Amino acid sequence: NAGVTQTPKFQVLKTGQSMTLQCAQDMNHEYMSWYRQDPGMGLRLIHYSVGAGITDQGEVPNGYNVSRSTTEDFPLRLLSAAPSQTSVYFCASSYSEAYEQYFGPGTRLTVT
Amino acid sequence: AQSVSQHNHHVILSEAASLELGCNYSYGGTVNLFWYVQYPGQHLQLLLKYFSGDPLVKGIKGFEAEFIKSKFSFNLRKPSVQWSDTAEYFCAVNAPSGTYKYIFGTGTRLKVLA
Repeated sequence: NAGVTQTPKFQVLKTGQSMTLQCAQDMNHEYMSWYRQDPGMGLRLIHYSVGAGITDQGEVPNGYNVSRSTTEDFPLRLLSAAPSQTSVYFCASSYSEAYEQYFGPGTRLTVT
Repeated sequence: AQSVSQHNHHVILSEAASLELGCNYSYGGTVNLFWYVQYPGQHLQLLLKYFSGDPLVKGIKGFEAEFIKSKFSFNLRKPSVQWSDTAEYFCAVNAPSGTYKYIFGTGTRLKVLA
């Protein structure tokens, strides 16, 4: 099992560019989520999904878009990158929303 | 709304010292509680969890945590830390009857001096 995989590991964007962070899991988990980690702020939930075709907003959804067309994949799209989106992004999956989450290795994004 | 407070942001200990990291949450209903650890350069991984039953739970690497419902607390403990415990520790709360959203604390950076 690969667990939760994320690509890319590092990315530099210019303000206004768009991109997609990829996330995939091979554990057949229904629940998937995206977090951003910023110094002193812990992990903040961006978007989550309780199954294919179902997504919802988390604490900090503005500027991000998600979709869940398959159980395995949960990409995060940055529509128009801003310096405030410089962060480390983690994808996680879980058997259900009530259980422990398995995290990917993260994507370090810098927006200049 | 749910919230999680971790009071200690930075902790420095010598090897063999005892550790206690505080975690308090604000939610009146039934909760699932977690502690995650992030070693330098790595992703988060589960240390231990509490769903129900014995309020004293044991996790990996000698860590334990005690759920005290009356105090809304879930403090993490280890009797004797090692240099390899240097990491950032996150408390998290999930309310099964609530919004099904995990809430993480802001984290505690632990540095253990050899």
